[in-house]
Amino acid sequence: GESVGLHLPTLSVQEGDNSIINCAYSNSASDYFIWYKQESGKGPQFIIDIRSNMDKRQGQRVTVLLNKTVKHLSLQIAATQPGDSAVYFCAEIAGTASKLTFGTGTRLQVTL
Amino acid sequence: SAVISQKPSRDICQRGTSLTIQCQVDSQVTMMFWYRQQPGQSLTLIATANQGSEATYESGFVIDKFPISRPNLTFSTLTVSNMSPEDSSIYLCSVDLLSYNEQFFGPGTRLTVL
Repeated sequence: GESVGLHLPTLSVQEGDNSIINCAYSNSASDYFIWYKQESGKGPQFIIDIRSNMDKRQGQRVTVLLNKTVKHLSLQIAATQPGDSAVYFCAEIAGTASKLTFGTGTRLQVTL
Repeated sequence: SAVISQKPSRDICQRGTSLTIQCQVDSQVTMMFWYRQQPGQSLTLIATANQGSEATYESGFVIDKFPISRPNLTFSTLTVSNMSPEDSSIYLCSVDLLSYNEQFFGPGTRLTVL
């Protein structure tokens, strides 16, 4: 079957290393940002979010950084594991309509 | 959280036919959305399914091609009409649980049009 992320940029990381996935957004009015993880054959799964009044938020093994000046978002995964292999999407919401605009996505490949 | 199911999980269809995709949620939700994910691509919002009123479509998507129903707060359907090979995609529904401040996605329906 068709693979998610077949034509997306790929980041290869060795197991145990840290991963940094980047995303540029275009709408300066966006005030809420989310990172999603999508494994093959599944829908996107929420990882972590951040509001525009913050520049950093930490979760379990993940950190999201937001730089509104250059409209850049990053997801850092500490001690990357094979189970982290997936396609990662950033998404943004502007206003209160809850409509997500997704970025292009990055395929994370964890090597042993 | 929310448990979302979609039917069918996948289908192979002939051009010119139509397919209706169902989305069922295990709790009542106000906002439901339909997305398309073309092969190897990101997700694009098709429309917001509104309960009791017509769906709200995004630019590039029209009701004649993608009619949507939302008969209650736990169920919605998306029909892909008069299909062509360019409609081959994964179609996903999502719900917004405002109390959780995040959207949950269904597993998707993988459509192949020959």
